[in-house]
Amino acid sequence: GAGVSQTPSNKVTEKGKYVELRCDPISGHTALYWYRQSLGQGPEFLIYFQGTGAADDSGLPNDRFFAVRPEGSVSTLKIQRTERGDSAMYLCASSPGSNTEAFFGQGTRLTVV
Amino acid sequence: AQSVTQPDIHITVSEGASLELRCNYSYGATPYLFWYVQSPGQGLQLLLKYFSGDTLVQGIKGFEAEFKRSQSSFNLRKPSVHWSDAAEYFCAVGARGGYQKVTFGTGTKLQVIP
Repeated sequence: GAGVSQTPSNKVTEKGKYVELRCDPISGHTALYWYRQSLGQGPEFLIYFQGTGAADDSGLPNDRFFAVRPEGSVSTLKIQRTERGDSAMYLCASSPGSNTEAFFGQGTRLTVV
Repeated sequence: AQSVTQPDIHITVSEGASLELRCNYSYGATPYLFWYVQSPGQGLQLLLKYFSGDTLVQGIKGFEAEFKRSQSSFNLRKPSVHWSDAAEYFCAVGARGGYQKVTFGTGTKLQVIP
């Protein structure tokens, strides 16, 4: 595809439910990043993948959050037992390598009710 | 830990006027600095970056920024603002190769009036 694709664009879920957010990076990009942007705030780093492995997951807020990238392309951010405080825009970005410009998707807006 | 401060939450300028958005950073070593723009319904777009070299950096859409180590600042400027520049602007600092684990400021929302 032409850019980073995130699906769904909007997700509403009930408190306590499990959700998965998908990111399709630009073809051939080895680096992939997840950020979370709460209302009125800047994006906050969650996790960075280089290939299939998580090179840095220090931004994941707690063990309810997990992300995978099993084939080094598509990534899924998984949130268990969602809480209202998880409501935010979740942004994904990819880049050809870790030292090159990262391109952002339009995000998934998650609302936990 | 790295951090970024954008002291202006909201700025209004007239079309054609000059613009300066302020950014101060905190980082223990030579920083990698970025300015991104976010328009409604659009993803974050990189305007410009500073990694090393010339401290005055040119970016897309006529924007420039100047790295001042003594002031820990990386202010964004544009000589003449267009209505299409209305958006939210984020300053960011990165480490360890630049784009990894970037820390963003809270953003400055720019309004352009005719």
